[in-house]
Amino acid sequence: EDQVTQSPEALRLQEGESSSLNCSYTVSGLRGLFWYRQDPGKGPEFLFTLYSAGEEKEKERLKATLTKKESFLHITAPKPEDSATYLCAVTTGGSYIPTFGRGTSLIVHP
Amino acid sequence: KAGVTQTPRYLIKTRGQQVTLSCSPISGHRSVSWYQQTPGQGLQFLFEYFSETQRNKGNFPGRFSGRQFSNSRSEMNVSTLELGDSALYLCASSSDRGVNTGELFFGEGSRLTVL
Repeated sequence: EDQVTQSPEALRLQEGESSSLNCSYTVSGLRGLFWYRQDPGKGPEFLFTLYSAGEEKEKERLKATLTKKESFLHITAPKPEDSATYLCAVTTGGSYIPTFGRGTSLIVHP
Repeated sequence: KAGVTQTPRYLIKTRGQQVTLSCSPISGHRSVSWYQQTPGQGLQFLFEYFSETQRNKGNFPGRFSGRQFSNSRSEMNVSTLELGDSALYLCASSSDRGVNTGELFFGEGSRLTVL
């Protein structure tokens, strides 16, 4: 069974304090790995798709990287508006239905 | 461009009742997926519809059903509600290209509380 594990479950940072969120996966035949952001009371918002080990994607203060077993979402000099739950998901084999991790709840204090 | 619209946003039902939730996808998107989100289980896939046909189904009991109309709008129904059905139900639409890139556009969800 495909497994997606995110860590830590919760993370508190001071504004400007860079850190990384982790998404590890045990799947057969990774098709794609996705990062979403979810604000309280709202649906997830798509951030990135990564397809192969070594690939990197950036958007403002966020940078996603991918290895053969895990992905990192690096947050550089975060701001309070970066506070949200970050979800990781994977698709495998011939399926395009993503399996989601439980998410990391990030709070950035001013 | 209007986003994914879900109605109702909040509803309260009692055990044994049934509920119907509605989702209007982004214009031009033919794929509509439904997810259940709870604190304990996270996001769980319910089913996906494409051009009025159910293409994929998750591991949920038959009490959970759905359909898609010719204009791509979708509904999901839960019959004989149980306390454990309390959750945020999310609808997501995707373009034909987005289906392969994993780019799902989610609505804000329908928060169901079962008493």
